[in-house]
Amino acid sequence: KQEVTQIPAALSVPEGENLVLNCSFTDSAIYNLQWFRQDPGKGLTSLLLIQSSQREQTSGRLNASLDKSSGRSTLYIAASQPGDSATYLCAVKGGSEKLVFGKGTKLTVNP
Amino acid sequence: SQTIHQWPATLVQPVGSPLSLECTVEGTSNPNLYWYRQAAGRGLQLLFYSVGIGQISSEVPQNLSASRPQDRQFILSSKKLLLSDSGFYLCAWSRSWGLPNEQFFGPGTRLTVL
Repeated sequence: KQEVTQIPAALSVPEGENLVLNCSFTDSAIYNLQWFRQDPGKGLTSLLLIQSSQREQTSGRLNASLDKSSGRSTLYIAASQPGDSATYLCAVKGGSEKLVFGKGTKLTVNP
Repeated sequence: SQTIHQWPATLVQPVGSPLSLECTVEGTSNPNLYWYRQAAGRGLQLLFYSVGIGQISSEVPQNLSASRPQDRQFILSSKKLLLSDSGFYLCAWSRSWGLPNEQFFGPGTRLTVL
């Protein structure tokens, strides 16, 4: 059974800092990995998707990496801003239609 | 571009009452559709998914059911709500063909069962 863990559960940083969010998964036989952002009381916004054959994806100040063999992914946020404050979720897709989610990292960027 | 709608946005229902949540997708055809629940302190849990009209797969045995009466419409229902049905319900869609098979989520429905 696939399990996804995100560490830390919460993170507070000053504005301008570069930061890394971690995601680990127990079964390396994944099809893809997706990072999402969730603002309080809102739906999920897809940030980046990495196919199993890829090592990383970049979008603006965000960079996500994938090491499938070790069961790890990181989301790097450069030059953090208060508007980046949200909960970040990672999810992996195996052979079925099911996405398995971690419980998220709640990020607070202080001005 | 594609958009996904959910309604209602919030709902407060008594225990034992029926439930109907609706999700519609615009701007695409034959999408895969999903219902997730996010309970307080827990991760998102897939409840149902559908790869076509009338085709429903259930991931978790529960008090809920799903239906897909039209290509871009997905409905979550219950005949009698339980307190444990409270939570944030999210609908999502993905393309049924090709890559990258990314899932896109709607704004969600906050359900409180009293």
